[in-house]
Amino acid sequence: TQLLEQSPQFLSIQEGENLTVYCNSSSVFSSLQWYRQEPGEGPVLLVTVVTGGEVKKLKRLTFQFGDARKDSSLHITAAQPGDTGLYLCAGDDTGNQFYFGTGTSLTVIP
Amino acid sequence: DAGVTQSPTHLIKTRGQQVTLRCSPISGHKSVSWYQQVLGQGPQFIFQYYEKEERGRGNFPDRFSARQFPNYSSELNVNALLLGDSALYLCASSRSPSSYEQYFGPGTRLTVT
Repeated sequence: TQLLEQSPQFLSIQEGENLTVYCNSSSVFSSLQWYRQEPGEGPVLLVTVVTGGEVKKLKRLTFQFGDARKDSSLHITAAQPGDTGLYLCAGDDTGNQFYFGTGTSLTVIP
Repeated sequence: DAGVTQSPTHLIKTRGQQVTLRCSPISGHKSVSWYQQVLGQGPQFIFQYYEKEERGRGNFPDRFSARQFPNYSSELNVNALLLGDSALYLCASSRSPSSYEQYFGPGTRLTVT
């Protein structure tokens, strides 16, 4: 059962544009992670957010955890072709299990 | 430090056969989790092991089993393979079950024909 819904599912943008990916749930999570995955490889951890309302920045990427710890967003500024990949959010319910979102496939066109 | 390693990289099996996948966690990590990722979807949790004991189990049939060894490496076994078991099987390690962060291996691509 998918507890996390991501939107949009697919996104194709030009290099230099900005974008936002959303991760929503009806469940509360103790923490939420964002990963990027490239074809044929495992997901690579980008960031972990644990406090409601928390904002973290990683170069051109900005991550926010909702106040109620049910949702999160990833904003990319001035996207580059190297940002292309599948972006996954994952929530930890403290039950020794991580739930992954449905994924957002991003393509940045040079 | 070496990351999470998995073997084999690719595997082709026939329906009804059995398969064993292997995972070595990052040095110092004692918890290993297994995920199944079907093409076009996010990973689905199968198992979590810590100190050789099962600490979590996802919604998978009993054909799926796993174990963890004293050196914290782990094996995932799948019996009576079905076509629907074709997927990328991912292993992730973390310091403990309560750790927020887990690190993934490259995965094993299983194809069932």
